[in-house]
Amino acid sequence: QVQLVESGGTLVKPGGSLRLSCAASGFSFSDNYMSWIRQAPGKGLEWVSFIGADGISIYYRDSVKGRFAISRDNAKNSVYLQMKGLRAEDTAVYYCAGGKRLRKAFDIWGQGTMVTVS
Amino acid sequence: SYVLTQPPSVSVAPGQTARIPCEEHNIGIKSVHWYQQKPGQAPVLVVYDDDDRPSGIPERFSGSNSGNTATLTISRVEAGDEADFYCQLWDVGSDHWVFGGGTKLTVL
Repeated sequence: QVQLVESGGTLVKPGGSLRLSCAASGFSFSDNYMSWIRQAPGKGLEWVSFIGADGISIYYRDSVKGRFAISRDNAKNSVYLQMKGLRAEDTAVYYCAGGKRLRKAFDIWGQGTMVTVS
Repeated sequence: SYVLTQPPSVSVAPGQTARIPCEEHNIGIKSVHWYQQKPGQAPVLVVYDDDDRPSGIPERFSGSNSGNTATLTISRVEAGDEADFYCQLWDVGSDHWVFGGGTKLTVL
């Protein structure tokens, strides 16, 4: 079935680094744009980063620019988020999500991985 | 940049119609998507491009978008519809994706 599975979330100290992974299965991963979207405890959804299907178009929210890096490996059906300079306010469940709609909705979501910066 | 405003909560009795607004100046010129998130679960896309439904989403879920307000409408509300709902759009000009603050739907 269509599935995204995130991994890599853990407890990390302020200033530390972490790499999140998201493995896709059950659909044509290379046709889909992907994003990382986070949700702080008890809060709403917040878009973090986007990567186009071909890996060329890449965007970040301002608060993570220069600290986070998104990448993908279509041969491995995976997308990654390298995070450095982590701050307490980066604490959240991180979801990977994808789609292939013209207006960039997210059809497919993983179950999320928790990142705690403390 | 866009700031999408949603009411924190909406309450409705079973069988009635729930309407959840998402407000921003001239939002009617954008395409708005809606997600449902039940406690402890990942979000699910329920409406895309203002008023289209992904396969598997009941017809009770519909959307509209005009002027300064996009609206998610849930007809014949059921207890199982209780969830947080988020509107979202893609700001083409800045290549940022924006979510509303979310609305908690309570079925009385």
